[in-house]
Amino acid sequence: DSGVTQTPKHLITATGQRVTLRCSPRSGDLSVYWYQQSLDQGLQFLIQYYNGEERAKGNILERFSAQQFPDLHSELNLSSLELGDSALYFCASSVLAPYNEQFFGPGTRLTVL
Amino acid sequence: AQRVTQPEKLLSVFKGAPVELKCNYSYSGSPELFWYVQYSRQRLQLLLRHISRESIKGFTADLNKGETSFHLKKPFAQEEDSAMYYCALTGANNLFFGTGTRLTVIP
Repeated sequence: DSGVTQTPKHLITATGQRVTLRCSPRSGDLSVYWYQQSLDQGLQFLIQYYNGEERAKGNILERFSAQQFPDLHSELNLSSLELGDSALYFCASSVLAPYNEQFFGPGTRLTVL
Repeated sequence: AQRVTQPEKLLSVFKGAPVELKCNYSYSGSPELFWYVQYSRQRLQLLLRHISRESIKGFTADLNKGETSFHLKKPFAQEEDSAMYYCALTGANNLFFGTGTRLTVIP
């Protein structure tokens, strides 16, 4: 699959725990974006990385962090999880800057019990 | 404040009727505007962008800087248009999505 891939598909965990979501961008894409989609708030931009460096920050909580590795895959770390963190987390990638078309992954559904 | 507003969470129209999904934005610079669509069980994907001035699947969207709007229109809705639609704005390294409008086309 040459598109954006995300693992795992589903994740169920308990409050207070820490999880890591993984994203592999499309081949050749240097930018990776993370979004949170919850029922009430739609699609919320969290953070963007470009070629390993943080480029833009959105509504990302301090309990959350991300990084992009030399092979361009990215991980989103969520710690001290709360019930309200339950959501669909999407990763997207694009060639360069945000105004390029973004290609979305299938998402990771996180359930915090 | 910079934001994208989609005032309708849900929109239902009959097949063959015109459809307009509203999008208003607030941005101090010169934004790039997009419409993304998510069909059932599919990934979110780009539908169109204002800079291309193109028509995709019969949809068009005109950027109205005076009204700060970027409404999505189609003259004759089809059942396959039923989906979730997101208006999005990008500026200098900022990304904003609206909360989305779920369009249902009734046969």
